[in-house]
Amino acid sequence: KNQVEQSPQSLIILEGKNCTLQCNYTVSPFSNLRWYKQDTGRGPVSLTIMTFSENTKSNGRYTATLDADTKQSSLHITASQLSDSASYICVVSARGNFGNEKLTFGTGTRLTIIP
Amino acid sequence: DAGVIQSPRHEVTEMGQEVTLRCKPISGHDYLFWYRQTMMRGLELLIYFNNNVPIDDSGMPEDRFSAKMPNASFSTLKIQPSEPRDSAVYFCASSNGTSVISYEQYFGPGTRLTVT
Repeated sequence: KNQVEQSPQSLIILEGKNCTLQCNYTVSPFSNLRWYKQDTGRGPVSLTIMTFSENTKSNGRYTATLDADTKQSSLHITASQLSDSASYICVVSARGNFGNEKLTFGTGTRLTIIP
Repeated sequence: DAGVIQSPRHEVTEMGQEVTLRCKPISGHDYLFWYRQTMMRGLELLIYFNNNVPIDDSGMPEDRFSAKMPNASFSTLKIQPSEPRDSAVYFCASSNGTSVISYEQYFGPGTRLTVT
């Protein structure tokens, strides 16, 4: 069964500090992995997407890593800002039988930045 | 573009009533997705359409749920009869394709459904 597990469930850090969120998955056959940011009361917004051959991808202060061998991904946030307070969701895509893709979602990490 | 539009934003109904959620995708997008989000289960894909045709409805929880897309600019998700366990936030998203590599999924603001 395809699964995506994220840790920690929640995290509180001081503004300006760095943090790393983890995503472990058992999805096969792997197609790609995406990190979403979801602000309270809003829909998710994509931060990064990574394919099998990509190890690192950055989007401003967000850097995602992917280890396809160990089936782990991380999202590193540098110099956190109050606006980074949100839920971060890891989504892993498996290649389907008919050329489509099946998405498996993690339950997210709730990040709170305090001044 | 106004983005994906969902209505209503909030819905409170009594158990047993019919609930209809509405979605207008971004113009030109040929894929439309319905998701459900709860604290316990996170985000779940219910069904998606391509060119108004349902492609994968394996995520629809049971026969009480049905979704339609009569044209490229409108879709509905109906729950009949509703139950308290259906309480969740329902998101609609649209894209130009299901390949997450090439095609971004744009989410609407969601409909918060409460069934009492």
